[in-house]
Amino acid sequence: GNSVTQMEGPVTLSEEAFLTINCTYTATGYPSLFWYVQYPGEGLQLLLKATKADDKGSNKGFEATYRKETTSFHLEKGSVQVSDSAVYFCALSLTGTASKLTFGTGTRLQVTL
Amino acid sequence: EAQVTQNPRYLITVTGKKLTVTCSQNMNHEYMSWYRQDPGLGLRQIYYSMNVEVTDKGDVPEGYKVSRKEKRNFPLILESPSPNQTSLYFCASSTRTSGGDTQYFGPGTRLTVL
Repeated sequence: GNSVTQMEGPVTLSEEAFLTINCTYTATGYPSLFWYVQYPGEGLQLLLKATKADDKGSNKGFEATYRKETTSFHLEKGSVQVSDSAVYFCALSLTGTASKLTFGTGTRLQVTL
Repeated sequence: EAQVTQNPRYLITVTGKKLTVTCSQNMNHEYMSWYRQDPGLGLRQIYYSMNVEVTDKGDVPEGYKVSRKEKRNFPLILESPSPNQTSLYFCASSTRTSGGDTQYFGPGTRLTVL
């Protein structure tokens, strides 16, 4: 079956630190890969996505590269801010599966001054 | 403004009392889904719909019903809620694109079943 594994949280960083949140996946077909972010008390918002191998998704200073050889889609940001504190979800969607997303368990990021 | 709305945002009820959580989107999306979010489990899909009158089970459909009579609305029905359905529920909608499906989420409904 399809599954997404992401690193356990919480992750606590000081402002301006480098962020990596690991994500690996297992899929029976050719997935699109996503990072969603959930700010406190809100729904999920798409942060970035990549639809094929070697694609790089980027948004708001966050980046992730679709690595087919390692089945990974790690999220990175060079310098985090307090406003980045949220829960981050890695997810995949298989083409032709009627819009189903398979999510990881989420990683909580806490950024302090 | 493009959005997905859910009502109510918070609900406390008792075991066995039927309830409906409404979901509406104004983006003319074909696809709509319901997810539940539980600690340590992430989000799991309950039901989805590919268009009006077309629905199918997701990963955790037991104890839930849905209907899609209009394109914009996708209500979630709990005929006889139980405490294990206490959770945070999200509705989402999307349209098929060549670049992978991007889903748009509602703000969530926090349900407590006593």
